[in-house]
Parts: sequence; structure tokens; C-alpha cells
Amino acid sequence: QSVLTQPPSASGTPGQRVTISCSGSNSNIGGNTVTWYQQIPGTAPKLLIYNNDDRPSGVPDRFSGSKSGTSASLAISGLQSDDEAVYYCAAWDDGLNGPVWVFGGGTKLTVL
Amino acid sequence: EVQVVESGGGLVKPGGSLRLSCAASGFAFSTYNMNWVRQAPGKGLEWVSSVSGGSGYIYYADSVKGRFTISRDNAKNSLYLQMNSLRADDTAVYYCASESIWGQGTLVTVSS
Repeated sequence: QSVLTQPPSASGTPGQRVTISCSGSNSNIGGNTVTWYQQIPGTAPKLLIYNNDDRPSGVPDRFSGSKSGTSASLAISGLQSDDEAVYYCAAWDDGLNGPVWVFGGGTKLTVL
Repeated sequence: EVQVVESGGGLVKPGGSLRLSCAASGFAFSTYNMNWVRQAPGKGLEWVSSVSGGSGYIYYADSVKGRFTISRDNAKNSLYLQMNSLRADDTAVYYCASESIWGQGTLVTVSS
């Protein structure tokens, strides 16, 4: 069971906007920044969003992130077929024995 | 080009040992905190261990504490993971990663 909670699946049609949620607690999302990764099967995770809502160069502005309290969201607008992937949220958790990098269980996005 | 490349994975028997290596290039490796993250077949991402840039801070997931040892050699731009007392549930692709830079991973299979 993952420390961060994501829906296991999401879907949309081309051109639509979809949102993926990520729920945590005060010790992780509530006190630290959230990162989002995209993983196409058989490949390594790719950084999509860092510092809650910043995009690295090369990531289209169709991807956006937000955070409020102990929850975060990834929004993808203008959905495209090659957006089909698994999306993970991540945050550092202020564990009792030191920081722990925690991940959500992943959300599989299907483009219908 | 900014990249990290893992090596050292393979098939090992339960109770055996393996040492993973990660070669970094194209960025100021010594200034980056580095991590090992693993992904069991068909599963999500699981953080394994972290080391700060100067090796002053080292942290482990409870699942590997006492069995795995992370280290780095900044002169060689390299990160390592010594894995002892391996178990079947350690079977996974192991990624060398900063929060923004991920390698392609190396597969570790623990089986008799």
C-alpha cells in the first residue's frame, strides 16, 4: 500500500482535459513539494512537474500541477494518444528515522 | 548530455549479493543528492536509499535496512548499491535517480 494515494486509472478522449489526484498527509505533501512523473511501459520515469507546479524545459504546457494542503493534482489538457502512460506523484516524507521518498501507486491513463 | 547509466544487475540466488553501479555524466554530480528506486515487475515505484552530495547523509527504506549499502565516489561520478542477503521480493528494476534525472534501470532477479 502506497503512502500517497492515487486513483488506479483515468481515461479521456483526444482533446479532453483530465485530472489525476494525489492524496497524502502533513508529513509529506503537506510540508514538502510534489513531483510528478510519466512512465511509458518499458521505459524509465520521466520528470513532468517539480516544485508542485513547475515544468522542466521540453514538457508541454498542456501538463500542469497544483497543490493544496495535503493533496496535489496533475492536469493534462488537449489529451493526445501519446499521453497514454502511468503517472506517479512523489514527495519527501519527514519520517521519524529520517526522510523517506514516497510515491503514489500510479495512475494508468488511457486515451480512448 | 545529462545522463545516468546503471549496470551490475543480473540473476542471483536467494541469500546472495550483488553490487549495482551508476555512472553519471553531463551534470555536477557531486552537488546532487542521489537515490536508488526500484520497481518490481508490474508494480509501482519504491524508494530504496538516498545519499547526499557529500555522503554526509544516508537513508534507507525499512525493507532494505541492514542488507543494502549505498555509497558514491564523486571523483568517479559514480553511485553504488551493495545488496546483500538478497530475497525474492528484492526482484525489480533498480533505477539510479536524482529527482530530475533517471537512468534506464538495471534488472535484478533473485531466484533459485
